[in-house]
Amino acid sequence: EAGVVQSPRYKIIEKKQPVAFWCNPISGHNTLYWYLQNLGQGPELLIRYENEEAVDDSQLPKDRFSAERLKGVDSTLKIQPAELGDSAVYLCASSLGASGVYNEQFFGPGTRLTVL
Amino acid sequence: GEDVEQSLFLSVREGDSSVINCTYTDSSSTYLYWYKQEPGAGLQLLTYIFSNMDMKQDQRLTVLLNKKDKHLSLRIADTQTGDSAIYFCAESSYNTDKLIFGTGTRLQVFP
Repeated sequence: EAGVVQSPRYKIIEKKQPVAFWCNPISGHNTLYWYLQNLGQGPELLIRYENEEAVDDSQLPKDRFSAERLKGVDSTLKIQPAELGDSAVYLCASSLGASGVYNEQFFGPGTRLTVL
Repeated sequence: GEDVEQSLFLSVREGDSSVINCTYTDSSSTYLYWYKQEPGAGLQLLTYIFSNMDMKQDQRLTVLLNKKDKHLSLRIADTQTGDSAIYFCAESSYNTDKLIFGTGTRLQVFP
């Protein structure tokens, strides 16, 4: 079974440019997560989707970040415009279902963003 | 708010046991996890423990939970060079899937 797929794996852009990351979760997983991992830190949740609905986006900087999960499968995370401080690894994860029961989150390899 | 803390580095000799420690602040934590991250790779779940358990053993891995002190540890027996990685402690509460991660402990295994 394929795991969580993310692309691109690496991205280098100049500041003020837009950038987009794509995630394909494990088939059948209803919940999708985007995490930000700064260098030397643990991941921090940016947004969580239940199917196509964003149920927790409290940590998403909405002035420059946006996300969508059309049809409740693939998801895209966008930054526009990118700033130097956005350089980090962006991780996507997916899990089977709803809160209240144990749901293992499966992580993709991440997209490493470098903003120059 | 919730906070999870870990020591930054641990260095052990191959064949010895490694013990990685973690403290957390959220008393409503339901699940506590240990993840492994190798260079350029995503996070791999090693094991987890439910908050009403004190201990969980899985092959070379032993997890100890002291809920009173909010302290979690991961013991790796017979540590191998392939165990060199960053280990993250994380917790979540019953009513949310949100994982709160520690800063990670870099384990270095030398021959």
